[in-house]
Amino acid sequence: DIQMTQSPSSVSASVGDRVTITCRASQGISSWLAWYQQKPGKAPNLLISAASSLQSGVPSRFSGSGSGTDFTLTINSLQPEDFATYYCQQANSFPYTFGQGTKLEIK
Amino acid sequence: EVQLVQSGAEVKKPGESLKISCKGSGYIFTNYWIGWVRQMPGKGLEWMGTFFPGDSDTRYSPSFQGQVTISADKSINTAYLQWSSLKASDTAMYYCASGDSSSWYVYWGQGTLVTVSS
Repeated sequence: DIQMTQSPSSVSASVGDRVTITCRASQGISSWLAWYQQKPGKAPNLLISAASSLQSGVPSRFSGSGSGTDFTLTINSLQPEDFATYYCQQANSFPYTFGQGTKLEIK
Repeated sequence: EVQLVQSGAEVKKPGESLKISCKGSGYIFTNYWIGWVRQMPGKGLEWMGTFFPGDSDTRYSPSFQGQVTISADKSINTAYLQWSSLKASDTAMYYCASGDSSSWYVYWGQGTLVTVSS
């Protein structure tokens, strides 16, 4: 299985800040990576697919980059609604796997 | 509008069997893979497996192979996740998810909470 490791596990930030979350795959996955946002009590929401393709309706302050083994999710100018948990997911090969999550908290 | 509607919360005893469902609408059911994702209380997302209703192709995570069965009934646009003998450690929220790519999950069900307790 491909292991996905996110860092940090949690981060505190303020409204207006820029935050970067990283995701590392245990082997190369090309651009087969997605990012999800999950709020408490809700199903996850797909933000970015194919490492950098923003989903329709997702604010442009979210961006993704990377290929191979190292990926980043960047959120510019944090808004109150962005405080949530973020997960990466590889889709290079079965079994698909998620990172352990990064909780973004208000400072 | 694509929707995935899951069956309601379940409370079961260890050793009991269970089948939860996920009904798709607003798209051609046989064209999209449907995945199942577990989230244990306070924990992260775990990919369990996926099913393609078009040809019944099924893939499992090794962590869940033999522990659950994923299936679907094309005639009623419904996917299933089932257990033959539940354990307390199966207590979790279970999500079904799908999308027009086999890789990412654009559409999610609302989740089914399964509680296993004696």
